[in-house]
Amino acid sequence: NAGVTQTPKFQVLKTGQSMTLQCAQDMNHEYMSWYRQDPGMGLRLIHYSVGAGITDQGEVPNGYNVSRSTTEDFPLRLLSAAPSQTSVYFCASLKGSARHNEQFFGPGTRLTVL
Amino acid sequence: AQSVSQHNHHVILSEAASLELGCNYSYGGTVNLFWYVQYPGQHLQLLLKYFSGDPLVKGIKGFEAEFIKSKFSFNLRKPSVQWSDTAEYFCAVNLNTGKLIFGQGTTLQVKP
Repeated sequence: NAGVTQTPKFQVLKTGQSMTLQCAQDMNHEYMSWYRQDPGMGLRLIHYSVGAGITDQGEVPNGYNVSRSTTEDFPLRLLSAAPSQTSVYFCASLKGSARHNEQFFGPGTRLTVL
Repeated sequence: AQSVSQHNHHVILSEAASLELGCNYSYGGTVNLFWYVQYPGQHLQLLLKYFSGDPLVKGIKGFEAEFIKSKFSFNLRKPSVQWSDTAEYFCAVNLNTGKLIFGQGTTLQVKP
């Protein structure tokens, strides 16, 4: 299994540009989520999905859209990039709904918005 | 609002020193608790987790953590750190299905 994969690894955008961060998992996990990591703030939940066709907002959803058309994929869209969205983005997946289950994280995407 | 607080933001230790990283959470209900580690340039990996039973949990690489319900704490410990333990450590709480709330993180630097 490849686990959780993310592309691209690095991206530089200009303010106002749009782009999609890709996330895929091959573990047949129902739950997927997106976090952003900023210095001194830990990881903050952007959006999550409990299954195909179902998404919901996390702590910091503004400026981001998600969709979940398949179990495997959970792309994150930046509609109009802003410098405040400069961050490292992590996708994670979780099997089932048990709260004690471990989340598996992807390698991250480092995004810079100029 | 629920939150997780890690008291130490940056810790510097010499090899063989003992480590304790503090983690407190604010939530009165049932919680599941995790410690994740992020080595330089890598993604987050699970160190250990607590969901029920023995409040002293042992994880990988000699780490352990103790859940003290009365103190809302889940501190991470290691008796003797190594240079390879240099990393960032995150405490996290799972309140609902899959929604993790993370602490701010603690950067550990171990000097050889």
